[in-house]
Order: sequence, then C-alpha cells, then structure tokens
Amino acid sequence: EAGVAQSPRYKIIEKRQSVAFWCNPISGHATLYWYQQILGQGPKLLIQFQNNGVVDDSQLPKDRFSAERLKGVDSTLKIQPAKLEDSAVYLCASSLVVAGVETQYFGPGTRLLVL
Amino acid sequence: GDSVTQMEGPVTLSEEAFLTINCTYTATGYPSLFWYVQYPGEGLQLLLKATKADDKGSNKGFEATYRKETTSFHLEKGSVQVSDSAVYFCALSEWSSASKIIFGSGTRLSIRP
Repeated sequence: EAGVAQSPRYKIIEKRQSVAFWCNPISGHATLYWYQQILGQGPKLLIQFQNNGVVDDSQLPKDRFSAERLKGVDSTLKIQPAKLEDSAVYLCASSLVVAGVETQYFGPGTRLLVL
Repeated sequence: GDSVTQMEGPVTLSEEAFLTINCTYTATGYPSLFWYVQYPGEGLQLLLKATKADDKGSNKGFEATYRKETTSFHLEKGSVQVSDSAVYFCALSEWSSASKIIFGSGTRLSIRP
C-alpha cells in the first residue's frame, strides 16, 4: 500500500515570497491533516479536512496560510508571504478509523527554510 | 486542555542497554495513546498504540502500557540497537467529531555501539 506522498521534499525561499506544498493521502483515507513541526518540537496541527471540508483550522495563521482539498483527495498548503519563523517541516497525514480508534499515517514532510 | 509531557532528551545509551522514555498525559476523557518514531530524514511512523486502560502496545521490541491511575504511557525496550537511534514522540487522541492528535515535544535517542 502506498503511503502519504508529499512534494517538494525541500524548499528554500526568501522572506515575503510565496510557497506551496502538495500532499496526496493514502487512498480511501477521508481525513487529512497538515502539521507544522518546528525544529526541536512536536508537530502542531494547522488544519484538518474531512473529505473536502474543513473540520478544524483554529491554529492556522489565516493571514498568511491557506489550504484546500479539492475533490476530497489531494491537498495543497500555501504560505503567502513567508516569514522567517515559518521555517519548519510541514507534515501531511491521513487517517483511518477502525473500531472507533483513529490512526494517522504521516508523509515524509517538506522541509522549508525561509531566509 | 489535553497535553502530553515526555522526558527531555537527548538520551544516550550503549547498545543492548535498557531503555525507558517517560510520558505522562492530561486529558478530560479517555484518550488513545501512541508512540511515534521519527528516523533521521524521514516522516513520523506509528510505533505502537493503546486504546484503553491497562492495554499494552508493542512493536519491534518496544512496549508501553496505558496506566490510567498514573496517567502514564512510558516507552520501554529491553535491549536497544544502534538502529533505534531516532526521535520518539508520545501522543494522545480523543475520539470525537473533530479528533486530533496532540504530541509531546519529542525525545531524541542516540545509541552508541
């Protein structure tokens, strides 16, 4: 079974530029998450989708971050304009619920460096 | 709100040593508990999980027991290998219509030959 795919794996941009990340979840997984993982910290949830609807975006900095999941499959996360503090690994995950227990499966992440 | 606290790293051990990484949690309900591992340059992988009190999750020689009375989920392995060097994250999830995983800050483990 293919895992969660993300691209690009690495991105270096200058502050105030824009950047977009792409995620393809595991086939059949209805729920998709974007996390931000700053160096030395655990992942922090940015946004959660159920199919193509947003379930939770309470921690998404909406003045500069946006995300969409058209057709309920692939998703893109955009930052515009980027700030130095956005340097982090952006993780995408999709999940499956079995017997009431949800398990999330993570992609390899996109490492962003803002200069 | 819900939270996870795990021991700070880095933890450095010799090969074949016994490993314990402590994890405690705070939750309003009855969460599921997880250990995720992140090998260098890779994404998070689920290592093991437990969904109710007294459950023991196990995988690749690692074990953790869901202790409701002490709100803990400590990770243990009897004999570590160099290949176990990674960052380990304890996490919890409370099932609801808007469930999400809350992660601890991670513990970096280094095993020397």
